Amino acid sequence: EAAVTQSPRNKVAVTGGKVTLSCNQTNNHNNMYWYRQDTGHGLRLIHYSYGAGSTEKGDIPDGYKASRPSQENFSLILELATPSQTSVYFCASGDGQGGQNTLYFGAGTRLSVL
Amino acid sequence: GQGVEQPAKLMSVEGTFARVNCTYSTSGFNGLSWYQQREGQAPVFLSYVVLDGLKDSGHFSTFLSRSNGYSYLLLTELQIKDSASYLCAVRIGSNYQLIWGSGTKLIIKP
Repeated sequence: EAAVTQSPRNKVAVTGGKVTLSCNQTNNHNNMYWYRQDTGHGLRLIHYSYGAGSTEKGDIPDGYKASRPSQENFSLILELATPSQTSVYFCASGDGQGGQNTLYFGAGTRLSVL
Repeated sequence: GQGVEQPAKLMSVEGTFARVNCTYSTSGFNGLSWYQQREGQAPVFLSYVVLDGLKDSGHFSTFLSRSNGYSYLLLTELQIKDSASYLCAVRIGSNYQLIWGSGTKLIIKP
């Protein structure tokens, strides 16, 4: 069964520290996305990728970097974590075929920056 | 500016129905999707509509009116397990360009 797996599921980081969130997909989808979800907000796009080696800025990229070393893996990097980056982060993949472009989400990573 | 609006909460009763509303104002429109998100879990795709009218998928039906910037998700014969948040997302351009509503939390009472 197709799957998107995120690690870690929970993370506590200190302000100014480096955090890396990992995502692996077995869907063989070209497109991958990183979102954050906060109470009162819809899902907000941080970075996305069209394939291995590509990363693009989403709507709220400041303070985040992304890396797509392979079709399967897409990482989100916080070089200098801040408390405002405390959130739940979701990775998703999609094949982008046709108009529907269904997204398949990972289970999420709950990040707390103290 | 662009936006997708959903009521924060909706309450209904087991065995009846619930209509989850979504209104949008966007610069373009290439379809609207609904996702279900249970507490502490990932969003899961439910339905996609791009043409006006009602799309009946059994337990879930989806309505769209593009001229009014309005959609709803209709859940019939509600079960307690339908308690979840329902997210609406409008696609405005290429694959990454989705604008998400903040979701409606559906609470179902016995």
